[in-house]
Amino acid sequence: DTEVTQTPKHLVMGMTNKKSLKCEQHMGHRAMYWYKQKAKKPPELMFVYSYEKLSINESVPSRFSPECPNSSLLNLHLHALQPEDSALYLCASSQVDGSYNEQFFGPGTRLTVL
Amino acid sequence: QQPVQSPQAVILREGEDAVINCSSSKALYSVHWYRQKHGEAPVFLMILLKGGEQKGHDKISASFNEKKQQSSLYLTASQLSYSGTYFCGTVEDNDMRFGAGTRLTVKP
Repeated sequence: DTEVTQTPKHLVMGMTNKKSLKCEQHMGHRAMYWYKQKAKKPPELMFVYSYEKLSINESVPSRFSPECPNSSLLNLHLHALQPEDSALYLCASSQVDGSYNEQFFGPGTRLTVL
Repeated sequence: QQPVQSPQAVILREGEDAVINCSSSKALYSVHWYRQKHGEAPVFLMILLKGGEQKGHDKISASFNEKKQQSSLYLTASQLSYSGTYFCGTVEDNDMRFGAGTRLTVKP
C-alpha cells in the first residue's frame, strides 16, 4: 500500500468553527508532514513529525495545531481561522531521513474559510 | 533557502523537448523533482544525491552538477501527459523547500 489518504476532501468553515483534518499512511513511514499550498504557488512546509514527535514547526500561527497520535496518523486541528487560511492542505510521509527519500503526498483537503 | 527555478512557464508541441533548471546559492544535500497536475497532489519523479549524477526513466531525466548547486530536468519527445507544474525541492533535516515551479503545457 503506497497511498496517503486525507479526509475530508473539501471543508468549508466559519471563522469561529473548530475542525480537524486527518491523514493516514500504512507504509511504515516514520516522518509525516503538513503543507499549505495556495493557488499557483509551491507547497509550503508547516509541520514535520519524526517518530511521532514534532521536529519542525515553521512559525505557523497557533490557530493550527498538529497532532500525531500514532505512527500511521496525523491530524491538523483548526480553530478560529482567517479567510487567508483558505488553501489546499497536503499531508505527506517519507522514510525518516527526508533528505534522501521521496515524499508520498496525499490528495489534499481543500479548505475554504468564510 | 528556497531554490530558484526557471523558466516560469513553457509551452510545447507534442514531441518537442524541454529543460527546467533549479539552482541554489549553496551546495545541496540532494535535489528532488515532483510533478503536480491541476487539482492533484505532487507526484515524485526522482532524487539526485551526488555531484555529477545523472538519472532518468522513460523520457524524463535529470542531472546534478559537480558542485551540487544546480540541477536540470530534461523532458524529451514530450507527451500530452507531461503537462503540469514541475517543482524542484531541497531538503535539509526533513525541511523541504520547493522552488516556485515551472508550468509546462504540451499541446497536440
